[in-house]
Amino acid sequence: GAGVSQSPSNKVTEKGKDVELRCDPISGHTALYWYRQSLGQGLEFLIYFQGNSAPDKSGLPSDRFSAERTGGSVSTLTIQRTQQEDSAVYLCASSSQLNYGYTFGSGTRLTVV
Amino acid sequence: AQSVAQPEDQVNVAEGNPLTVKCTYSVSGNPYLFWYVQYPNRGLQFLLKYITGDNLVKGSYGFEAEFNKSQTSFHLKKPSALVSDSALYFCAVNAGNMLTFGGGTRLMVKP
Repeated sequence: GAGVSQSPSNKVTEKGKDVELRCDPISGHTALYWYRQSLGQGLEFLIYFQGNSAPDKSGLPSDRFSAERTGGSVSTLTIQRTQQEDSAVYLCASSSQLNYGYTFGSGTRLTVV
Repeated sequence: AQSVAQPEDQVNVAEGNPLTVKCTYSVSGNPYLFWYVQYPNRGLQFLLKYITGDNLVKGSYGFEAEFNKSQTSFHLKKPSALVSDSALYFCAVNAGNMLTFGGGTRLMVKP
């Protein structure tokens, strides 16, 4: 596609529910990244996918968080048993080569009530 | 370990005045350096990058940045600020196979 697409754009969920956030990267971009941004603050790295390699999960904050990338394209970030501290904007980015930088999606604003 | 520091949480400048948003970095090897801008309720947009070559890099919306290897800095500049430049700005540097970002600097341009 022309850009990185994320859905939904907004999600309100009750504490304890599971949520799935979707990212559709730019076609042909082999690298895909998930970041979390709380209240207009900095970016917290969550997870990184590169081609068919095992993902770098070093940024996931707890075992309630998981992500997969099917067929080297679309990625889903799943948060189980959501907590209020999970409320944030979840940003996805893709890249063809690191020296080109990232292209970001518009993010999913998650609110846990 | 690679890192990026943006020492100012907020920069205030009057419209028409020059602006500078500071960034310093620490990386082993040759750095790839980036600036991104985030407008309210939007994702991050690419402004400019330094990979190699001329130390002065020009980017979108009249912004430029100067790579200074001895000071390990990559400050973002614009000769004449616009109210519409008000946004959150992030500096980033390569860290392995990904970028690591500074904490962001909020730029407020007042009419």
